[in-house]
Amino acid sequence: EVQLLESGGGLVQPGESLRLSCAASGFTFSTYAMGWVRQAPGEGLEWVSTLRGSGTDTYYADSVKGRFTISRDNSRDTLYLQLNSLRDEDTAIYYCAKYRGAAPYWYFDLWGRGTLVTVSS
Amino acid sequence: DIQMTQSPSTLSASVGDRVTITCRASQSVSSWLAWYQQKPGKAPKLLIYKASSLESGVPSRFSGSGSGTEFTLTISSLQPDDFATYYCQQYNGYLWTFGQGTKVEIK
Repeated sequence: EVQLLESGGGLVQPGESLRLSCAASGFTFSTYAMGWVRQAPGEGLEWVSTLRGSGTDTYYADSVKGRFTISRDNSRDTLYLQLNSLRDEDTAIYYCAKYRGAAPYWYFDLWGRGTLVTVSS
Repeated sequence: DIQMTQSPSTLSASVGDRVTITCRASQSVSSWLAWYQQKPGKAPKLLIYKASSLESGVPSRFSGSGSGTEFTLTISSLQPDDFATYYCQQYNGYLWTFGQGTKVEIK
């Protein structure tokens, strides 16, 4: 079955760090670009970061640039998002998503269920 | 950055109604536009890509049109399973932006 399963969310204080993981199955992980999208409580969707299948070329939203780092381990079919210097406004459900299409025209065709990150003192 | 604006923000409709949601881009995105459906507590689901291509397995009552800066998602006959929030997303290059969403409610 083709699926994505996120983990690693939780409650942290402002300024702390967290690492999210996304385990992929059912497709050839290394051949697809992957990304993270977040959704604050009661709000819309916000693209966060993207990484090519090869692991080169990363892309970030301005709101997280310099604080978040996307990476992947193609031997483990796993995508990561390192969240540093967390702020209250980073509180959201973080979705892992798979891209489809020819670069640079990638769009999301598969989403995980999400993992909740809560930043609060 | 390209801004995406959806209208309306909320739409009240009845089963069987024809529903149209509009998405406008702040600059041309050609046909690089997708539509997603999201139900409460669930992940988004791809409905339409490249403005008008129907994703496999999505009912044919969903259709997309437009190019450049103006796009529409149409549901030809609203079904009970279609009450959800719909998002457009542009993917014209290495930055991705979503519209703010349109909630389709039961009238």
